[in-house]
Amino acid sequence: AQSVTQPDARVTVSEGASLQLRCKYSYSGTPYLFWYVQYPRQGLQLLLKYYSGDPVVQGVNGFEAEFSKSNSSFHLRKASVHWSDSAVYFCVLSFTNSAGNKLTFGIGTRVLVRP
Amino acid sequence: GGIITQTPKFLIGQEGQKLTLKCQQNFNHDTMYWYRQDSGKGLRLIYYSITENDLQKGDLSEGYDASREKKSSFSLTVTSAQKNEMAVFLCASSILGTGQLYFGEGSKLTVL
Repeated sequence: AQSVTQPDARVTVSEGASLQLRCKYSYSGTPYLFWYVQYPRQGLQLLLKYYSGDPVVQGVNGFEAEFSKSNSSFHLRKASVHWSDSAVYFCVLSFTNSAGNKLTFGIGTRVLVRP
Repeated sequence: GGIITQTPKFLIGQEGQKLTLKCQQNFNHDTMYWYRQDSGKGLRLIYYSITENDLQKGDLSEGYDASREKKSSFSLTVTSAQKNEMAVFLCASSILGTGQLYFGEGSKLTVL
């Protein structure tokens, strides 16, 4: 069965420090992978997506993610975080089966950036 | 750009009551979704619709009804609200097959 695992429920970092959020997926086919961010009291917004090609994808606000087929991972990184990066980050797997296009969400990682 | 509007933002109901959430999108997207968000559980799909008048059950459809009478709108009804139903409900839309979703800001349901 398809699944997405975000092993860290909460991450706390200091402003200016680097950030890495881990995501592992389970899917036998070719995945489409996304990272979404949810700021307080808002819906989810797309940070970046991977369909194919260069395994390192750039997103908005200085975020990037690296796809690894061998490790079944799609980790998110930012070199230097700002207090406004405090949010919940979701890793999402998109795939297609006989029932159509499906999405599987990780449980999210809550990031707190300390001043 | 487009926008997804969910109404109401906050909904308070009594246990056993029938409650309806509404969602409008002006992206002209084919597919619309309703997700439930519980803390620590990610998002779970309740219903989705790939076109006007189409309805597909998600993983969490029991206790809910949905309606897609127009391409731009998608409603979700909690048929009999329960106290364990308190959650945030998120509406989203997408172009069919892309997997990229556009979300509304959410509707928070409280059951007394």
